[in-house]
Amino acid sequence: TQLLEQSPQFLSIQEGENLTVYCNSSSVFSSLQWYRQEPGEGPVLLVTVVTGGEVKKLKRLTFQFGDARKDSSLHITAAQPGDTGLYLCAGEPRPSNTGKLIFGQGTTLQVKP
Amino acid sequence: EPEVTQTPSHQVTQMGQEVILRCVPISNHLYFYWYRQILGQKVEFLVSFYNNEISEKSEIFDDQFSVERPDGSNFTLKIRSTKLEDSAMYFCASSGISGRSEQYFGPGTRLTVT
Repeated sequence: TQLLEQSPQFLSIQEGENLTVYCNSSSVFSSLQWYRQEPGEGPVLLVTVVTGGEVKKLKRLTFQFGDARKDSSLHITAAQPGDTGLYLCAGEPRPSNTGKLIFGQGTTLQVKP
Repeated sequence: EPEVTQTPSHQVTQMGQEVILRCVPISNHLYFYWYRQILGQKVEFLVSFYNNEISEKSEIFDDQFSVERPDGSNFTLKIRSTKLEDSAMYFCASSGISGRSEQYFGPGTRLTVT
């Protein structure tokens, strides 16, 4: 059974601080997605990474896919209160070719002004 | 910007009743999915659907569940005889030919079974 473990599960920081969220597995993934989910709503896609070692930037957010395609990280620079929310990683396991995504349990981020 | 829509937003039903959850995926997408999220738990894969047939289904997706694409725009999830443990948020997602795993989710239907 493929699992994605996110850490930390909860993070509370002050505005302006930097943070990193990790998504780890012992399994290889074809691709990995990061989503943000607000309470009572559906996950909103932030980014997809598909190549080992790939780095993508989205304004103050930097996403990295591990060289072995088993892990990923999300780094936020100078966090703002608007970044508060639940961040989910999700991966398409290999050798599945059906699009099935395995989700991590999520990291709840609270950014205090 | 195109988005996935779902109806109803909240459905309350009695145990043993049939429910149909409806989704309109993004119009040019070809892959369709249902996921569920029990309160406080992970998002769980239920089923993937492509070319009018199921590509993969999870252990959760037993004989009580079925999916259908009755026309060119709707994608439905039917639960024949609901159980208390079916209470959850149900999310529909879709993806295009260029990125099967790049899935866009709808806002969800909250199903409450009493």
